[in-house]
Amino acid sequence: GAVVSQHPSWVICKSGTSVKIECRSLDFQATTMFWYRQFPKQSLMLMATSNEGSKATYEQGVEKDKFLINHASLTLSTLTVTSAHPEDSSFYICSALLAGSSYEQYFGPGTRLTVT
Amino acid sequence: GENVEQHPSTLSVQEGDSAVIKCTYSDSASNYFPWYKQELGKGPQLIIDIRSNVGEKKDQRIAVTLNKTAKHFSLHITETQPEDSAVYFCAASQGYSTLTFGKGTMLLVSP
Repeated sequence: GAVVSQHPSWVICKSGTSVKIECRSLDFQATTMFWYRQFPKQSLMLMATSNEGSKATYEQGVEKDKFLINHASLTLSTLTVTSAHPEDSSFYICSALLAGSSYEQYFGPGTRLTVT
Repeated sequence: GENVEQHPSTLSVQEGDSAVIKCTYSDSASNYFPWYKQELGKGPQLIIDIRSNVGEKKDQRIAVTLNKTAKHFSLHITETQPEDSAVYFCAASQGYSTLTFGKGTMLLVSP
């Protein structure tokens, strides 16, 4: 149980285009999902917290107009990188907080974004 | 805010040996401490966690200990196997709030 999927697993796009990444909790409901960014050989950097039905909360330094987050249902959150640039190339990972009394966060497999 | 320090950054052991990774945290209000294993090109996998009302938790070859007074917690892996090789992250949070991660430990288990 507690499986989180991401789609696509990898994507290559041209500079200036937009890319949407989906995060789904497959076998549980998640009122809260998180989006992280990870550079090679580094730790996870929290970008934003997404609550179902409300606006996402962005961490300091993360441009909310560039990284659009939508959490329309209890099992789906999306991250759209708008007007992507090569510096946006990274490994993007989502996690979902198990609704209920537990604190566990379960992570997706990640999406490798390369902007050319 | 919370700050989590993790040591060592790399750890090499022989198969069958034990491995210990240590983390310290700064915020005494933190009450949830998970450990994640991340293999190359994959997302982190929750392997064990502990809450502040417990001092130790064990799951087969993996155990976690927590010292609230000293504000540190440790991951213990016994009888290591080559498939244990990965990057391990500790984290801390206040319940349902955001996780603060350590910088990670690359564990290499040699056959």
